Amino acid sequence: AQSVTQLGSHVSVSEGALVLLRCNYSSSVPPYLFWYVQYPNQGLQLLLKYTSAATLVKGINGFEAEFKKSETSFHLTKPSAHMSDAAEYFCAVSGGSYIPTFGRGTSLIVHP
Amino acid sequence: DSGVTQTPKHLITATGQRVTLRCSPRSGDLSVYWYQQSLDQGLQFLIQYYNGEERAKGNILERFSAQQFPDLHSELNLSSLELGDSALYFCASSPGQGTYNEQFFGPGTRLTVL
Repeated sequence: AQSVTQLGSHVSVSEGALVLLRCNYSSSVPPYLFWYVQYPNQGLQLLLKYTSAATLVKGINGFEAEFKKSETSFHLTKPSAHMSDAAEYFCAVSGGSYIPTFGRGTSLIVHP
Repeated sequence: DSGVTQTPKHLITATGQRVTLRCSPRSGDLSVYWYQQSLDQGLQFLIQYYNGEERAKGNILERFSAQQFPDLHSELNLSSLELGDSALYFCASSPGQGTYNEQFFGPGTRLTVL
């Protein structure tokens, strides 16, 4: 079994501030973890993924995430937010089952 | 552009009707996934096909069915539609059936049931 919890349905930051989107997972097998972004009126696109190589994963648009097994977390960060980062972000876990499980999503709001 | 196409973009229909949503995966991708996205349920996995065969089933209602054709395009059939079926329906594809594969999402079909 597997599940994903994204803490905070909305996160609001100022432009230039640190972005931190939280994701905790549970999985009965070694997990593969993903962050996807969804811009308005578009499908999801991959930001980054963890597949048991390096625990610090770098993605597109300056985002990165760190896999912490002891905390069962895979939080997404970006040092400096841009207005263009405003979107919905989804954390997902997969593993022994072929069924991927997505979190409920976090809406990132960026204020000028 | 992910390379995944979905038609139609929008669909408005009445309760009790039946509709078909179509998806063409990225060139070379063998797996197709269907998802339903709504405000109250979030992104729900419905079903996965790999090279024409059903591989995994999620929260798909019995009124819904899907198939993947020899040319790898897929169709999702929704019947006896209810108001609660109004949602965004996404198709995604991936090269294989491995769970380490990223999925490439189409732009979605917005279904409105009146």
